[in-house]
Formats: sequence, structure tokens, C-alpha cells
Amino acid sequence: GEDVEQSLFLSVREGDSSVINCTYTDSSSTYLYWYKQEPGAGLQLLTYIFSNMDMKQDQRLTVLLNKKDKHLSLRIADTQTGDSAIYFCAERGSQGNLIFGKGTKLSVKP
Amino acid sequence: EAQVTQNPRYLITVTGKKLTVTCSQNMNHEYMSWYRQDPGLGLRQIYYSMNVEVTDKGDVPEGYKVSRKEKRNFPLILESPSPNQTSLYFCASRGSETEAFFGQGTRLTVV
Repeated sequence: GEDVEQSLFLSVREGDSSVINCTYTDSSSTYLYWYKQEPGAGLQLLTYIFSNMDMKQDQRLTVLLNKKDKHLSLRIADTQTGDSAIYFCAERGSQGNLIFGKGTKLSVKP
Repeated sequence: EAQVTQNPRYLITVTGKKLTVTCSQNMNHEYMSWYRQDPGLGLRQIYYSMNVEVTDKGDVPEGYKVSRKEKRNFPLILESPSPNQTSLYFCASRGSETEAFFGQGTRLTVV
């Protein structure tokens, strides 16, 4: 079945780069997403990548897609305390629904 | 402003007392869905709807009902809530564009 896996926790120091990894199972997924959830808030779309792309960069965010290994990563450059949140990887399933990973809690230490 | 609105934001209820969580979107989106978020389990889809009068079960539909009588509204109904339905619930909608818009969430406690 369709499944998305990601590590649960990541801790970095302010100013360092953060890399959050994700693996997915459905090779036919057309879109892959990264969502951010701040404490007490809903999910906010950070970025997405179309399956025919290898990389997408948007300011401090870089998304890398390895379609052969079904591996997606999100790199946040110059991580700030305001980046502390839970980050969800998601793929678009065959029914058009979003299938989420369990979320990676990013903690940024000053 | 494009948005998905859920009500209420917080709700404490007793076992067995029927409740409805409303969800409304102002973007004329066809696709709407409900998720629940639980610690260590991430977001799991409860029900989704691809258009008016079309609803389908997601991964965890037991104990829930939905309806889609009009495009903008997609209420989640718990006929007889139980404590294992204590969770944080999110409604989302999506049109033909890639982004899914999420509501702010409803924190439900069933005692």
C-alpha cells in the first residue's frame, strides 16, 4: 500500500543546516510535499516538487528527489529558532488524497 | 482571503453525545477531506469527498460520518463519540492546483 516514512526528531543549532529525510512507496506519485506545523496551528504548505524534477530551491529551502530510491529530502539553510516545528512529508495518492508521514519534530537550539 | 474554516476550535464532550464539527471553504474546491492527528501517528485520513454528493472512506473511517450536500461544506459527524476519538482534527480542501489548504484544527476531548 501507499506509505510515507520519516524520522521523528531532529535537533540542530541555530545557523546550521537542517536536513529532513523521507521515503515513500508509491512510485506513481505525481507530487510530493513538505508541510510545516507550528505549535497549536494547522498545516502550512512549505514547498512541493513534481515527480519529474530532481531538485527545487526556494530561498532557504532545497528539496531533493531521488525517484529511483523513492527518497525525498528537505534542506533548510541557516536554520533559525522560528523554524522549530513539525515537518510533514506527503505524497499524493492514487485517489488524489494526501498520504502523510508521521512528522519530524525539528528543534533549533540557540 | 482563501481559507478553510472549522468550528469549533475546541470541544469537550461526553461519551455517546452526538456532535458535528463543521468545515467550510471559500475557494470553490471540489476535493475536501478530514484528517485526525495523534501523537506518534501523524495525520490519518478519515473521509474524503471528490465532489458534491460523493464521499469515500479514508484510512480510519470507523465511528465517523460525513456529508457533502453542497460544495463549500463538509461536516464531520460523530454519532456516538468514544474516548478513543479524542484527537486533533483537520479539514482540508484542494482544487486543481497542487496545494491543499488546511483549517486551523479542532481539538476534541471525549470523556
